[in-house]
Amino acid sequence: GAVVSQHPSWVICKSGTSVKIECRSLDFQATTMFWYRQFPKQSLMLMATSNEGSKATYEQGVEKDKFLINHASLTLSTLTVTSAHPEDSSFYICSARDGGFRTEAFFGQGTRLTVV
Amino acid sequence: DQQVKQNSPSLSVQEGRISILNCDYTNSMFDYFLWYKKYPAEGPTFLISISSIKDKNEDGRFTVFLNKSAKHLSLHIVPSQPGDSAVYFCAAGESNNFNKFYFGSGTKLNVKP
Repeated sequence: GAVVSQHPSWVICKSGTSVKIECRSLDFQATTMFWYRQFPKQSLMLMATSNEGSKATYEQGVEKDKFLINHASLTLSTLTVTSAHPEDSSFYICSARDGGFRTEAFFGQGTRLTVV
Repeated sequence: DQQVKQNSPSLSVQEGRISILNCDYTNSMFDYFLWYKKYPAEGPTFLISISSIKDKNEDGRFTVFLNKSAKHLSLHIVPSQPGDSAVYFCAAGESNNFNKFYFGSGTKLNVKP
């Protein structure tokens, strides 16, 4: 159990276009979902936390107008990178918690975004 | 400012021997710690956790040790198996907010047959 599916696994887009990444909890209700970004050889950096039905909470330094997060249901959160630029190229990964006593979050497989 | 550090980017160990992965943190408020394992092209999977009320937690071949005074934790894998080859991330946070964990940069473990 506790499977999180992220789609697409990789995407290449042109500079100036927008890209949407989906994160789904397949067998549990994710009251909280997280979006991370990882640069090569660096930590997973938390970008934002979202709770179902409410606005996401963004970490300091993350542009909320550029990285739009929607958590419309208990099983789906989306991250849209708007007007993507080459510096947005990175590995984006989501995770989800079920809101219960389990402390660990379950991760999707990640999305490799390349902006050309 | 990185609050969780894994200073060894990689580690190579012979099959059957012990693997020791280290993690340091700076925030004295952290009282809950997790280890994740990540294979290429997959998301991290939870491995083992420890609360600051303990200094050791064991699960099969995996044991996590916590030294609060040194703000240091380590993951021991014994005996190491080739299938353990992966990137290992430690994460730290506060037990009053399980929604916010800080991750280290990972250590790539290679277990040689």
